[in-house]
Amino acid sequence: EFVLTQSPRTLSLSPGERATLSCRASQSISSTFIAWYQQKPGQAPRVLIYGASNRATGIPNRFSGSGSGTNFTLTISRLEPEDFAVYYCQQFGSSPLYTFGQGTKLEIK
Amino acid sequence: QEQLVQSGAEVKKPGASVKVSCRASGYTFTSYDINWVRQATGQGLEWMGWMNPNSGDTDYAQKFQGRVTLTRNTSISTAYMELSSLISEDTAVYYCARGRWEPNFDLWGQGTLVTVSS
Repeated sequence: EFVLTQSPRTLSLSPGERATLSCRASQSISSTFIAWYQQKPGQAPRVLIYGASNRATGIPNRFSGSGSGTNFTLTISRLEPEDFAVYYCQQFGSSPLYTFGQGTKLEIK
Repeated sequence: QEQLVQSGAEVKKPGASVKVSCRASGYTFTSYDINWVRQATGQGLEWMGWMNPNSGDTDYAQKFQGRVTLTRNTSISTAYMELSSLISEDTAVYYCARGRWEPNFDLWGQGTLVTVSS
């Protein structure tokens, strides 16, 4: 079964700092099939990045995605107070059709 | 504006079934897939299944095979998720989400809390 492993599980940083979140796939996948989501408490997730590096509509350019093969990264260049949330990576595949990572909680230090 | 509006919270007893609706507005319902994702309290996101509203084709996560059924009524632009043989571990917020071909889920419902308790 396909697995996405996110690290770290919790990341403690201060506003203005740079955040680097990792998502590792159990097998190589096309970068086309990787997306990243942000979820704040009590809210539905929101797509940030699709196709590993494409920002979704309305997403600030401080969010960027990169990677290929089995290793993918979400970078937030300079943290704003509203960026502290939980982040999930997602892959589109064949079985199961979609898989989510277990999430990284980005908290204020 | 484009939105997905879900039905309200449900409380069910173990062994019962629940049916959650997801009404689309502001876009052509049959032009985009609908996915269902659940989230237990304090836990991560779990994909349950996918439906093509145009054809009615479905695909389910193996974990839910035989217990989940996705349907739709195109005349009212509404998708449905029915989960049967409920157990306490099914207590969660259930989301519908629009799937794009890129692929990603670009539009989400507000979530429906399903509580399974005796």
